[in-house]
Amino acid sequence: NAGVTQTPKFQVLKTGQSMTLQCAQDMNHNSMYWYRQDPGMGLRLIYYSASEGTTDKGEVPNGYNVSRLNKREFSLRLESAAPSQTSVYFCASSEAGTGGFGYTFGSGTRLTVV
Amino acid sequence: SQELEQSPQSLIVQEGKNLTINCTSSKTLYGLYWYKQKYGEGLIFLMMLQKGGEEKSHEKITAKLDEKKQQSSLHITASQPSHAGIYLCGADGSGTYKYIFGTGTRLKVLA
Repeated sequence: NAGVTQTPKFQVLKTGQSMTLQCAQDMNHNSMYWYRQDPGMGLRLIYYSASEGTTDKGEVPNGYNVSRLNKREFSLRLESAAPSQTSVYFCASSEAGTGGFGYTFGSGTRLTVV
Repeated sequence: SQELEQSPQSLIVQEGKNLTINCTSSKTLYGLYWYKQKYGEGLIFLMMLQKGGEEKSHEKITAKLDEKKQQSSLHITASQPSHAGIYLCGADGSGTYKYIFGTGTRLKVLA
C-alpha cells in the first residue's frame, strides 16, 4: 500500500547512544516532516524538508539532525540520546508545502532512552 | 506563535450518543485540518476547512469552521466504538511549512 514507512517501530537506547530513524514515502510528495508526540503536548515539529535538497528547523530541533537523502527518504538522527528524547516519533509527507491536501503519516517509532 | 487549544481533553460517551470536539486558535486560521489517531498508530487525515463558515461531512463526522476562522468544531452523530481514538486539529495559520497541532481529544465510546 502507498504511504509513509518508518523504521524501526520500537527502539530502546541508553543515554549517550546514537541512532537514525528512517522514513520513506512512495507518493512522490515534495515535503516531508518529523514530529514528536508527548503526552499532554500534542505533536511538535522537529524538522521539515519543503523539497528535496532543503531542510529547516521546526519547533523543537535541539538534539536532532536530519537528512533529506532524496525525494523519497527523510531521516532523523539522534547524536547523543537523552531521556528527554523518549517519545513517539512520526514522519509525515505532503504534496503541497502548506499541507493543503492533508499530511500522510507513518505509523510511528516508539523510542525509549534509559 | 500560534497555538491550538482543544476541548475537551478526553470524552467518554455511550454508543449512539452525539458529541462535539472544539479547536480554538489564538490567530486566524488559513487552513484547519482534522485528524484521527487510533491508539498506537499514526494519524489519519479526516478533512480540511479553509473558508469562514465552511462545513464538511464524512460519514457521521461533520466539521465546521467559524466565520472568523479562529474556531472549529468536530461533531460525531450516533457515535460507534469505531469512532474511538484521539482527534487532533492541525493548522498552517501562518501559511508556512510549520504546521502545528492541538493537544488532542481522547474519545472512548462505550458499547
